[in-house]
Amino acid sequence: DAGVTQSPTHLIKTRGQQVTLRCSPKSGHDTVSWYQQALGQGPQFIFQYYEEEERQRGNFPDRFSGHQFPNYSSELNVNALLLGDSALYLCASSRRQDLNYGYTFGSGTRLTVV
Amino acid sequence: SQQGEEDPQALSIQEGENATMNCSYKTSINNLQWYRQNSGRGLVHLILIRSNEREKHSGRLRVTLDTSKKSSSLLITASRAADTASYFCATVPRGYSTLTFGKGTMLLVSP
Repeated sequence: DAGVTQSPTHLIKTRGQQVTLRCSPKSGHDTVSWYQQALGQGPQFIFQYYEEEERQRGNFPDRFSGHQFPNYSSELNVNALLLGDSALYLCASSRRQDLNYGYTFGSGTRLTVV
Repeated sequence: SQQGEEDPQALSIQEGENATMNCSYKTSINNLQWYRQNSGRGLVHLILIRSNEREKHSGRLRVTLDTSKKSSSLLITASRAADTASYFCATVPRGYSTLTFGKGTMLLVSP
């Protein structure tokens, strides 16, 4: 049973460009959350998708947007990249009704903005 | 923003010793979870404790929760070199379904 799959693994972009990161949740999971982890810090919540809608959002600007597809997979889009967007982007999946179960994380996408 | 604070920020021990990490948080919670991260890659879920529980065990892991003090501790007994990693506590605040992480504790277990 595959866990959470993220692609690509690494990415280098130039300031001002746009990027799309992809996530396939664990089988049986219907909710996808995205986190940004700067070097030496804990993950910061970006947003959560369920039933193809953004349900909760953290303190991130509108340059960060997302989408969830009918098969529960998700994309994270970042526009007008800044140097400060360089980070590890983590996707986590869960089941909406299972608040008291742990999340399953992917291995992340390492984004470097130059 | 970070919900919790782990203490210590870094911990260095010998194999066979016990490692204790502490976590404090700020708001009422549904549950508190501990995760491990190796070399800046994905997080692995270790253990979850609900707000109405006080202690939980899983293998060599023991977690306690004190909701009156808004704090938790993770004990790893008989540490191994393979336990070297960063450990994060994360809370699910009451009324939400998302995780809020602390800054983590870096654990180094030397052979």
